[in-house]
Amino acid sequence: QKEVEQDPGPLSVPEGAIVSLNCTYSNSAFQYFMWYRQYSRKGPELLMYTYSSGNKEDGRFTAQVDKSSKYISLFIRDSQPSDSATYLCAVGKSNFGNEKLTFGTGTRLTIIP
Amino acid sequence: DVKVTQSSRYLVKRTGEKVFLECVQDMDHENMFWYRQDPGLGLRLIYFSYDVKMKEKGDIPEGYSVSREKKERFSLILESASTNQTSMYLCASKQNPGTSGSRTGELFFGEGSRLTVL
Repeated sequence: QKEVEQDPGPLSVPEGAIVSLNCTYSNSAFQYFMWYRQYSRKGPELLMYTYSSGNKEDGRFTAQVDKSSKYISLFIRDSQPSDSATYLCAVGKSNFGNEKLTFGTGTRLTIIP
Repeated sequence: DVKVTQSSRYLVKRTGEKVFLECVQDMDHENMFWYRQDPGLGLRLIYFSYDVKMKEKGDIPEGYSVSREKKERFSLILESASTNQTSMYLCASKQNPGTSGSRTGELFFGEGSRLTVL
């Protein structure tokens, strides 16, 4: 069983829709949760970071963590064509600098104008 | 802004060749990582380094080695390239927590080096 499972998609939604991206993880030792966005032919960049259960909002993006279910989500409101990218969830056991993050396989998202 | 620079964006090599992938970061980060990214497999850690001349194996180190002679530079070496090493290679760096200006736990990635081994 993979430590982090993520639906690879692809996912296509019309502009303005709400997008929901999800990951599940298996190890309760994971305490830090991240979402990275990767545009085509680019490296991933950090989008959201949280270390607790609950919601964290940043503009149109909301990260949700449910540690009891080992489930993490990213919601995108009022989706834009510029949101078209691959979204990767990542989990870690600590915030130490040498912590090896575990990544999901990524979900490819396309926003249709 | 933090910048992680990978020297080669696209490389084509032949089976058996020795390949060097270079990565330089300009923010004095202690920790540097090499990943490969393949469709359906996501990001897999090859090696990482938490200090100059220090290295640790990641999840898939076979067929690879690394070198970190200076803090800002982390090199990935394929001693004898094989076709199954055709992939996107991503370098990343991260600061230790508590350092001013750091967003805890954030990995900064380069733009990637796409290697094709024929």
